[in-house]
Amino acid sequence: ETGVTQTPRHLVMGMTNKKSLKCEQHLGHNAMYWYKQSAKKPLELMFVYSLEERVENNSVPSRFSPECPNSSHLFLHLHTLQPEDSALYLCASSQDGRRIQETQYFGPGTRLLVL
Amino acid sequence: TQLLEQSPQFLSIQEGENLTVYCNSSSVFSSLQWYRQEPGEGPVLLVTVVTGGEVKKLKRLTFQFGDARKDSSLHITAAQPGDTGLYLCAASPGTYKYIFGTGTRLKVLA
Repeated sequence: ETGVTQTPRHLVMGMTNKKSLKCEQHLGHNAMYWYKQSAKKPLELMFVYSLEERVENNSVPSRFSPECPNSSHLFLHLHTLQPEDSALYLCASSQDGRRIQETQYFGPGTRLLVL
Repeated sequence: TQLLEQSPQFLSIQEGENLTVYCNSSSVFSSLQWYRQEPGEGPVLLVTVVTGGEVKKLKRLTFQFGDARKDSSLHITAAQPGDTGLYLCAASPGTYKYIFGTGTRLKVLA
């Protein structure tokens, strides 16, 4: 049990659908992250939130829209995705976020397939 | 663009064998981490190394940070099937920035 949960675990969507991924951390951390893990690329950091404020956006297409309503919850809203967006989407949290090389605690991920 | 190159990419060995995984970069980092990811799960931190030349041991796993802080290695002694997984090195080039290595997928056969 890592203290970070993600739902759903699996998702299949068409290119015209809108869906949301949810992440919840029970660790009392202040920073939360979205990562994309695809078969042929290293784990890619997408977004970083610290104290509910977005502090990093790594050139992610606008069809991905994050939301952090409080320090325990993080959402990734998806719309008009492309087949190449199919991947494992991982959420993580860490204590502070501002200190370099903190320990990140990952959720189990949402396996997304875009048809 | 800062990259972390891992080798080998895939490794399949018999139980009881030893192995070494490498993580290399052309950039200098203040510290480096190793994570292990099992199927259906997210990565879990194994160790953080912070000093050039540092060696850390975690049971049968030995981690080393290069003197120049550009590379690291993970050595597993007497591998067991429970060591099977994806091994990832990671570094932080700055605040709120993280990069991960290309990964080494290890399979240990009983």
